Amino acid sequence: DAKTTQPPSMDCAEGRAANLPCNHSTISGNEYVYWYRQIHSQGPQYIIHGLKNNETNEMASLIITEDRKSSTLILPHATLRDTAVYYCIVRVTRTGNQFYFGTGTSLTVIP
Amino acid sequence: DTEVTQTPKHLVMGMTNKKSLKCEQHMGHRAMYWYKQKAKKPPELMFVYSYEKLSINESVPSRFSPECPNSSLLNLHLHALQPEDSALYLCASSQEPSGGTPLYNEQFFGPGTRLTVL
Repeated sequence: DAKTTQPPSMDCAEGRAANLPCNHSTISGNEYVYWYRQIHSQGPQYIIHGLKNNETNEMASLIITEDRKSSTLILPHATLRDTAVYYCIVRVTRTGNQFYFGTGTSLTVIP
Repeated sequence: DTEVTQTPKHLVMGMTNKKSLKCEQHMGHRAMYWYKQKAKKPPELMFVYSYEKLSINESVPSRFSPECPNSSLLNLHLHALQPEDSALYLCASSQEPSGGTPLYNEQFFGPGTRLTVL
């Protein structure tokens, strides 16, 4: 199963871009990369997903390296409400559609 | 409606009690999931239901008994729990991928049930 590695914590100044890295060196060719975040004691919230190409939506951008072994989630203008734990997840397709969460990055946005 | 609801929000039970957690979605999703999350840890997958049938049990102790009575409901029956089972229990749902196609299937999570076992 593809696993993900993320730094345990990061700080970002309010209004600046937050760049959250993720390594997934064992990812398979048809496995998507998903990003979720979890604000304290709430359910995880979907942010963005991608397969090979870079993706952007109203919340964030996802940059996936050409070899697909790593990715970066970019929050372009971080706000205090973006303080959360961010999870990079690779969906396992071999046996179904389950998610296995990595340890995540705790992002603190500083005023 | 893109919401997954979970009841109750909080539950306190003794080790001899029997209780149930309930999860509901009306998005037409045919895959539903239970996760367990301990404090400061990531969610851990417990069970996966696909088309109302249990497809994955991640070696969960039998004191946790899942049930999917219909395509919109998912229950987790609890019996003889231990204090170490205290956690946030999360339910999620998604479309069911078909035939090995790498279908994008976002999982929608509920707010969770905070369980305390005394």
